[in-house]
Amino acid sequence: AQTVTQSQPEMSVQEAETVTLSCTYDTSESDYYLFWYKQPPSRQMILVIRQEAYKQQNATENRFSVNFQKAAKSFSLKISDSQLGDAAMYFCAYRSAFKGGSEKLVFGKGMKLTVNP
Amino acid sequence: DGGITQSPKYLFRKEGQNVTLSCEQNLNHDAMYWYRQDPGQGLRLIYYSQIVNDFQKGDIAEGYSVSREKKESFPLTVTSAQKNPTAFYLCASSIDTGAYNEQFFGPGTRLTVL
Repeated sequence: AQTVTQSQPEMSVQEAETVTLSCTYDTSESDYYLFWYKQPPSRQMILVIRQEAYKQQNATENRFSVNFQKAAKSFSLKISDSQLGDAAMYFCAYRSAFKGGSEKLVFGKGMKLTVNP
Repeated sequence: DGGITQSPKYLFRKEGQNVTLSCEQNLNHDAMYWYRQDPGQGLRLIYYSQIVNDFQKGDIAEGYSVSREKKESFPLTVTSAQKNPTAFYLCASSIDTGAYNEQFFGPGTRLTVL
């Protein structure tokens, strides 16, 4: 079974600075997808960014980028120019690319990000 | 506006009672999901449905039941057999269960057992 680990339960960052959230995962599969979801105080899950395992290029979405290290099974999220609205719980998630496993997102326990003005 | 609605936002239940959580989507998605979130935990899959009149158990299906009679609707019933039902419940949908497809989430229902 796949597992996702977020070892830092909380982090804080000053507004306008950069912060990196770490995530590691365990799988024996070669093809999969990785996601970062944001859960603000409203508690609605919002997709931040996704990475296909077969792509070597790291995904980028505006101020959000990932550092995907497939051999190390590491998937960190970098938030640049942090804004107050970035304050939220962040969840790393894994999804198998294989039929019979792709229906499920496997989530880490989450990390609370605080942005200080 | 297209999206997913869940109702009610807060739900209180007495022990021994069944309760049904509503999930509706107007995104024309085939696949729908139910997740449970506990404090300090990530989301865990309860049930999912790939198409109308079909659904499959997830990792923690015991004590829960679902139906999928319409494409738009995927209600979750928390039965009295669920030992610890107090949690936050999130419904999601996607075009299909293909791994690339984004799962869109509803706003959630907070269930408390009194």
